[in-house]
Amino acid sequence: AQSVTQLDSQVPVFEEAPVELRCNYSSSVSVYLFWYVQYPNQGLQLLLKYLSGSTLVKGINGFEAEFNKSQTSFHLRKPSVHISDTAEYFCAVSERGSTLGRLYFGRGTQLTVWP
Amino acid sequence: ETGVTQTPRHLVMGMTNKKSLKCEQHLGHNAMYWYKQSAKKPLELMFVYNFKEQTENNSVPSRFSPECPNSSHLFLHLHTLQPEDSALYLCASSQGAPGSGYTFGSGTRLTVV
Repeated sequence: AQSVTQLDSQVPVFEEAPVELRCNYSSSVSVYLFWYVQYPNQGLQLLLKYLSGSTLVKGINGFEAEFNKSQTSFHLRKPSVHISDTAEYFCAVSERGSTLGRLYFGRGTQLTVWP
Repeated sequence: ETGVTQTPRHLVMGMTNKKSLKCEQHLGHNAMYWYKQSAKKPLELMFVYNFKEQTENNSVPSRFSPECPNSSHLFLHLHTLQPEDSALYLCASSQGAPGSGYTFGSGTRLTVV
């Protein structure tokens, strides 16, 4: 079974500061990894995903994430955040051989950017 | 129209009412999902459909009744709900293949009074 741990439920930062949102996963097999963002009263929107190849993945809105297989982590980073990045961020994992490509989500991290 | 569309966006209903949530996707996906998102709680997967067939029901109370007439449409029929059922209900679709990820709708904000 898959599990995803987002280590911080809330991350407050000031505008233009760098940010890292942490995600660790547990799986006995190879996985695909995803980050989604949810703005208030909206659905989840795909930020980026890791399928294979380079372990550094770039996504929308200047975000990037790095897959670290030995540490089973997929942390999300942005070098300089904006007020508009305030949202909830979800990490998700999918087993490579799964039926339907079932996603398992973490509990989410609320990123709040202050002026 | 592209993406996943959910209607209505907001719904207020009494505990004795019957209402339905609708989800529609024009992405050619074959799998569809209902999620419940309550404040301060993790996403809860409710139902999964693959090619119109229900493949997963995560112990959801019978007052929630899903319907999937075809791969593009998904409904959630609601009756005799409780105040604790108030939440954001999210629909998602996927190609149903490993690595494909999900595409989510904007959700229906349900308030049970």
